[in-house]
Amino acid sequence: QKEVEQDPGPLSVPEGAIVSLNCTYSNSAFQYFMWYRQYSRKGPELLMYTYSSGNKEDGRFTAQVDKSSKYISLFIRDSQPSDSATYLCAMTPNFGNEKLTFGTGTRLTIIP
Amino acid sequence: NAGVTQTPKFRVLKTGQSMTLLCAQDMNHEYMYWYRQDPGMGLRLIHYSVGEGTTAKGEVPDGYNVSRLKKQNFLLGLESAAPSQTSVYFCASSYSPKTSGLLNEQFFGPGTRLTVL
Repeated sequence: QKEVEQDPGPLSVPEGAIVSLNCTYSNSAFQYFMWYRQYSRKGPELLMYTYSSGNKEDGRFTAQVDKSSKYISLFIRDSQPSDSATYLCAMTPNFGNEKLTFGTGTRLTIIP
Repeated sequence: NAGVTQTPKFRVLKTGQSMTLLCAQDMNHEYMYWYRQDPGMGLRLIHYSVGEGTTAKGEVPDGYNVSRLKKQNFLLGLESAAPSQTSVYFCASSYSPKTSGLLNEQFFGPGTRLTVL
């Protein structure tokens, strides 16, 4: 079993819809949670991160962490065609850790 | 700033050939990483470095070697390429959280698409 599980999709939704992307993890030591966005044939780039449990909002994006369930989510409101990409979750147990554990990524397509 | 650059962008090798992938960063980052990305497998860490002259094994190090002679460069070598090494290779770099006080945000290069026949 992988430490981080992520539904690979693909996920297709119409423009303007709310998108929910999720990851589950097994290592209870993880405390920092990140979402990376990867456009086709490009490298991943950090979208946002959260610490421990709770929500964090950044424009149309909201990251949510439920440590009791070992479950994290990324919500995209008012989805746009430019949001079409692969979204990877990543996590690390502590601030000083040099390594991240990545999910496999979910491929998202927003249909105009 | 160019950020993280990778050379070459594409390469086709025959089984048994060797090659070196070059990663360069101009952000004065202490940490550097090599990943491979395969369908359904996500990003898997091959080797990483926490400073000039130091390297460490990641999740899938077999068949690869690395060197970090200069802080800004991280080289990935394949001594005898195998078809199983067909993949997209990404280099990344980050500040050291211990010295910068910043979370380990990794900045990725554009990738190298390698095919081994």
